[in-house]
Amino acid sequence: QITLKESGPTLVKPTQTLTLTCTFSGFSLSTSGVGVGWIRQPPGKALEWLALIYWNDDKRHSPSLKSRLTITKDTSKKQVVLTMTNMDPVDTATYYCAHSPPPQWLGTFDYWGLGILVTVSS
Amino acid sequence: DIVMTQSPDSLAVSLGERATINCKSSQSVLSSSNNKNYLAWYQQKPGQPPKLLIYWTSIRESGVPDRFSGSGSGTDFTLTISSLQAEDVAVYYCQQSYSTPYTFGQGTKLEIK
Repeated sequence: QITLKESGPTLVKPTQTLTLTCTFSGFSLSTSGVGVGWIRQPPGKALEWLALIYWNDDKRHSPSLKSRLTITKDTSKKQVVLTMTNMDPVDTATYYCAHSPPPQWLGTFDYWGLGILVTVSS
Repeated sequence: DIVMTQSPDSLAVSLGERATINCKSSQSVLSSSNNKNYLAWYQQKPGQPPKLLIYWTSIRESGVPDRFSGSGSGTDFTLTISSLQAEDVAVYYCQQSYSTPYTFGQGTKLEIK
């Protein structure tokens, strides 16, 4: 059974760096074609795709946020970490991590974590 | 970025009736290498993460009821619920995975009339 869980701070101050960890089970990030992605959703708004890392360490980022985002994986710990710098109140959102099944470049997300609400406020 | 535009923004349908949600992409999401449209549909109920319903335009995810179907090609796509059930009340999103960033539509809120 595949599960994912997001963890990290729920309140950050403007200009601070946000670090979120996705801890997963039920699959391996060393399996060909598998990926883990991050998606966020401001309160009452639509989903926004942020970044995706694949089993072979191929990384994709949203161009509009690329300079602020870093995505890394620790296969042995079964974790994916998303770092976002220079946080702003507009970054207030529920942040989800999700499993992307093979084949690589399918790009869909079939298992999601419950999400973590991150509020950016001084 | 490929912009995904859904219509309508909200929809009210009677129980047992058909619900149709449209999604239009700003450029084609049809891959010439495998002739597949990289278009997926998700359902999101309040307080829950999204649930994948359909990928590659029309392939239902395992466990998804067959009243959900997807169609379309190129830039125009449709999600159809053939006979609306009470548990189908949700917001529905389309997503393209043809090119990164894998953008989502703005969502369509489906309610019972």
